[in-house]
Amino acid sequence: AQSVTQLDSQVPVFEEAPVELRCNYSSSVSVYLFWYVQYPNQGLQLLLKYLSGSTLVKGINGFEAEFNKSQTSFHLRKPSVHISDTAEYFCAVGRSSDSWGKLQFGAGTQVVVTP
Amino acid sequence: DTGVSQDPRHKITKRGQNVTFRCDPISEHNRLYWYRQTLGQGPEFLTYFQNEAQLEKSRLLSDRFSAERPKGSFSTLEIQRTEQGDSAMYLCASSSGQGKLYEQYFGPGTRLTVT
Repeated sequence: AQSVTQLDSQVPVFEEAPVELRCNYSSSVSVYLFWYVQYPNQGLQLLLKYLSGSTLVKGINGFEAEFNKSQTSFHLRKPSVHISDTAEYFCAVGRSSDSWGKLQFGAGTQVVVTP
Repeated sequence: DTGVSQDPRHKITKRGQNVTFRCDPISEHNRLYWYRQTLGQGPEFLTYFQNEAQLEKSRLLSDRFSAERPKGSFSTLEIQRTEQGDSAMYLCASSSGQGKLYEQYFGPGTRLTVT
């Protein structure tokens, strides 16, 4: 069994400040890791993914995340946020042994960027 | 490439009625997923199709739920005898497999309200 925990349900942040969204997972098998963003009344959009290789992955819109196997974490960061980054962010895990890509999502972190 | 589309975007129904949602995936994608998202939670996997074959169903998918993908293109999700607990956002996603198995592209969702 696997689980995904997003440690913060809401993160308020000022414009141009850095932000970090925390994600921890548990799994008995090796996993792939993802961050998705959901803007109001829209579907989810893939921000970035870790499948293998370098543990620091860069995604769209200036986001990056670091896979830490020993701490079973995959925290998302952005050095300077914009108002347009206000959205809900979901961490997701997929088992590398799956042949068809089923994802398990965390509960989400709402990011609210204020001027 | 017009993205994943879902219809309707919103559905309000009375308890006990049947509802059907449609998902049109990206045209060359042979894999299609349905997820359910309730308020304050991340998406939860419901079912998965590879072409027209339904290969996996979650225990969340009770006997009142049925999904089809008759020609391996669009898919429908039907809920019979709706209950208030069925109120949620129903998300559809598709992927092409072939090394991009985990790049799931989501539609905007169908928000169901059962009164």
